[in-house]
This record gives sequence, C-alpha cells and structure tokens, in this order.
Amino acid sequence: ETGVTQSPTHLIKTRGQQVTLRCSSQSGHNTVSWYQQALGQGPQFIFQYYREEENGRGNFPPRFSGLQFPNYSSELNVNALELDDSALYLCASSTDSGRTYEQFFGPGTRLTVL
Amino acid sequence: KNEVEQSPQNLTAQEGEFITINCSYSVGISALHWLQQHPGGGIVSLFMLSSGKKKHGRLIATINIQEKHSSLHITASHPRDSAVYICAVTPWGGNKLVFGAGTILRVKS
Repeated sequence: ETGVTQSPTHLIKTRGQQVTLRCSSQSGHNTVSWYQQALGQGPQFIFQYYREEENGRGNFPPRFSGLQFPNYSSELNVNALELDDSALYLCASSTDSGRTYEQFFGPGTRLTVL
Repeated sequence: KNEVEQSPQNLTAQEGEFITINCSYSVGISALHWLQQHPGGGIVSLFMLSSGKKKHGRLIATINIQEKHSSLHITASHPRDSAVYICAVTPWGGNKLVFGAGTILRVKS
C-alpha cells in the first residue's frame, strides 16, 4: 500500500504565473483535500474533492481551482500567482467525505512566488 | 477569534519531562485530531478522538466534549519528540479540518 505522494517537492514561480500541483491519494481512498500552510501558521482548507466532484471549499478566490481524476489523484491549479501564495501546499486523502475519518497527508509542495 | 486555539505556542522541555499541550475549540465537532509535523512539512496523524482518552506508546490524548477542550500529553519526553504538534477539528456537518496554529516543541537532551 502506497501512501499519499505529492509533486513537485519544491517550486519557484514569479508573480502572475500559473502553477499546477499534483497529489496521488493513498490506495483505496476516494477523497482528497487540499490545504495551504503559510509559514508559522496552521494549514487552511482550500477545497475537497470526492469522487471527482468538488465537495466543499474554503475562503479562497476562484483562481484556486482543482480537479480529481477517475483514479482519485488530484491537481491544484493556481492562476495569476501572488506573493502571498507562497506557502506549503498539503493534500490529504481519506476513505469517505472526510467527516470523521482519518486523513492521511502527503509531504507537501513548497511554493515560492517571487 | 480562531475556532481552534492551542497553548502554549512554544514549549522547551528537558529530556524525560512530562509535557502537556492544550487545545480549545469553539464549534461543535464530530472529531478532534492531534497531528505531528516535522521540519520539511510532512504531517502525521497521532490521534483522532470524539470522546474520552486514547493512548499510544508515550502519547496520551484526552477530550472533554462539554468543555470543548483536549490535551495531548507526552510522558518521558525525548529529543526525537521535537516537532510541531497541531490540533485540528472536524466541525459537525462539515467535511474539512480546521487547524490550530500549532505548538512548537523542543526537547533538549
């Protein structure tokens, strides 16, 4: 059984660019949640995907968008990057909509926007 | 005010000491999670609980639903316990985790 993986590990972009981050969920998991963690803060919920549909969204602008594929892997896309988007982006997978079940986290992608 | 508050923000202990990290929350929840984050970012789930107490090795987590409070205890602390400990809740009817800001723990030998 493989755990949650994310790619790339690190990424440097400039303001205005677009970025795509990827997450492979743990085997058997059909739900992926994305979180943004700014330096020194706790993670903030971006959105969740359940069986390829968005299943809840946090307080993030529309330039943050996502996809979930039939194999339950997921992408996070951020358009028109801003300096404040610099953060660690974490994905977590679980076996249902995540209401009470344990979420398993990937190692994160550290995004730096210059 | 954040929905999940942790204390202390920073904690330095000597090896062998008993450590307590506290978490208070202001919303109804279906579960509370204690997570560990090491430098580099990876998060590991330590406990998920909705009532009572759970123990795993030297770690103990308790929750008081009426008081909306949880504690994480580490007995016989060791330098390898040094990490950020994060409390998170799953609000009732929600499908996301709401996180506290974390407690930075450093255990000195």
